[in-house]
Amino acid sequence: EVQVVESGGGLVQPGGSLRLSCVASGFTFSSYEMNWVRQAPGKGLEWVSYINGAAGGRYYADSVRGRFTISRDNAKNSLFLQMNSLRADDTALYYCAREGGESHGDAFDIWGQGTMVTVSS
Amino acid sequence: SYVLTQPPSVSVAPGQTATITCGGNNIGSKSVHWYQQRPGQAPVLVVYDDTDRPSGIPERFSGSNSGNTATLTISRVEAGDEADYYCHVWDTIGYNWVFGGGTKLTVL
Repeated sequence: EVQVVESGGGLVQPGGSLRLSCVASGFTFSSYEMNWVRQAPGKGLEWVSYINGAAGGRYYADSVRGRFTISRDNAKNSLFLQMNSLRADDTALYYCAREGGESHGDAFDIWGQGTMVTVSS
Repeated sequence: SYVLTQPPSVSVAPGQTATITCGGNNIGSKSVHWYQQRPGQAPVLVVYDDTDRPSGIPERFSGSNSGNTATLTISRVEAGDEADYYCHVWDTIGYNWVFGGGTKLTVL
């Protein structure tokens, strides 16, 4: 089964750090571009960051640039999001999402169930 | 930065047709993707590249895109279609992905 599973969320104080992980299975992970998307409670979807298959290209939303770092380990079929200097408005459910590549253009065709990050003192 | 505008809500009776719009400057020149998100669940891709459907998505879901408006059309609406719907494009100038604000579809 093609799937991605996120982990690493939790409660963190403002200014703190957290590292999210996403493990992929059922497909050739290194061949796909990956993204992180978040959703604050009761709000819409917000794209956070992108990384290409070889990890040579990375993009970030303005709201997280300079604080978050996306990375991947293709040998371990894993995607990461290092989050530093966390703020209350970073509180959200964080999704890992695959870009469809040849299958579905660049649409996000596989999503995990998300991992919750709560920033609060 | 590029902005996508969706109506906050759309209501339709069962069996009727729901139309959800997504407005953006010259959006017709971009590839638009649409996602369905039921309460408490992860988003699901329902239309990609303006008009294509992933396998497993009913033919009742269709998309179009021209000028400054992309549209998701759901024919013969069922109770199970009640969800939030998001449009999605790549901003080639800002080098970022953009989601619309989402539209809550209510089946009366």
